[in-house]
Amino acid sequence: KNQVEQSPQSLIILEGKNCTLQCNYTVSPFSNLRWYKQDTGRGPVSLTIMTFSENTKSNGRYTATLDADTKQSSLHITASQLSDSASYICVVSDNSGGYQKVTFGIGTKLQVIP
Amino acid sequence: EAQVTQNPRYLITVTGKKLTVTCSQNMNHEYMSWYRQDPGLGLRQIYYSMNVEVTDKGDVPEGYKVSRKEKRNFPLILESPSPNQTSLYFCASSFVERLREQYFGPGTRLTVT
Repeated sequence: KNQVEQSPQSLIILEGKNCTLQCNYTVSPFSNLRWYKQDTGRGPVSLTIMTFSENTKSNGRYTATLDADTKQSSLHITASQLSDSASYICVVSDNSGGYQKVTFGIGTKLQVIP
Repeated sequence: EAQVTQNPRYLITVTGKKLTVTCSQNMNHEYMSWYRQDPGLGLRQIYYSMNVEVTDKGDVPEGYKVSRKEKRNFPLILESPSPNQTSLYFCASSFVERLREQYFGPGTRLTVT
């Protein structure tokens, strides 16, 4: 069964500090991995997408890495801001047949405090 | 503005009273999907549609129905809601391509008493 596990479940950091969120997956065959940001009470919004051949991708202060061999990804947030407080969801797509099925992680809830 | 809209945003109803949550997108996306999000469980797919008149079950379809008569609309129907369907529901849409990004609606918080 395809699974996506994220850690930590929750995290509190001071404004201005960096943090790293982890995602381990067992999805096969792998197609791509996305990180979404979900503000409280709102729908998720895509931050980055990575395919098998990509090791790292940045979107402003967000940098995602992917190790397809160990099936691990991380999302690094630099110089955190209060507006980074949200849940971050790792989503992995498999490439079974002609249609991609997505598996969602539970998410990491990040709180940035002043 | 490109967006996915859902209505209503909040709904409190009683067990057994049929309800429909509407979803509409203006991006000409072929693919649409419904998810429910519960604490500690993440997003789980209820139903999805690859195109007009094409729908299929996701991971948790029991107690739900959908229809796709038009490309832009994908309503979620609860014929006889039960308390275990109390949840936060999201509609999403995307193009049907390999690296498609799903665009999510704002969510509908449903409470069934």
